[in-house]
Amino acid sequence: AQKITQTQPGMFVQEKEAVTLDCTYDTSDPSYGLFWYKQPSSGEMIFLIYQGSYDQQNATEGRYSLNFQKARKSANLVISASQLGDSAMYFCAMREGGEGADGLTFGKGTHLIIQP
Amino acid sequence: DAMVIQNPRYQVTQFGKPVTLSCSQTLNHNVMYWYQQKSSQAPKLLFHYYDKDFNNEADTPDNFQSRRPNTSFCFLDIRSPGLGDAAMYLCATSVRAFPVSPLHFGNGTRLTVT
Repeated sequence: AQKITQTQPGMFVQEKEAVTLDCTYDTSDPSYGLFWYKQPSSGEMIFLIYQGSYDQQNATEGRYSLNFQKARKSANLVISASQLGDSAMYFCAMREGGEGADGLTFGKGTHLIIQP
Repeated sequence: DAMVIQNPRYQVTQFGKPVTLSCSQTLNHNVMYWYQQKSSQAPKLLFHYYDKDFNNEADTPDNFQSRRPNTSFCFLDIRSPGLGDAAMYLCATSVRAFPVSPLHFGNGTRLTVT
């Protein structure tokens, strides 16, 4: 079974609109972290935002916020006021375990294109 | 700035000719990872080092090896590259701590096999 599911292979959004990228996850470990990464066409993987399983509040980082619904096992990324530079692949990822030594498990990604 | 550096940015090798990709870090993180990312796919973990302890993923081919001579450096060796090994190779680092922390990635090495 997939541990991270991203159901939107691609999205087109008008500049300045808000966009929500979906992510659901599957784990039986009570301790885990959820991450969103942005990968532009140049290939580097840029960390955006993090949510811990024990965090009570949704994470926010500038224009990025994470809508964490633990009971539904979802961790959607919300980008407010989208910009042309937001066009990229977006990956949702999870790290399990108390110390998370085993690295990230990635979803298949969402290709976001911001249109002027 | 503390960072993860991968060299070279682009690497071309011939079918069957051994190739080594390098990664260095100034973050002093105790865990280093190698991921393989093929075109339009998610990154796939090949192996990682926790300090000097090597951890291989079960489905990583024997053709792929790794070395970590010290905390700062980690190498990916592909002994006999095949056409199917053409991919972006991403090095990442992190600390092993609670709560879990993000992985910090280098810019990647894009490998072409001719």
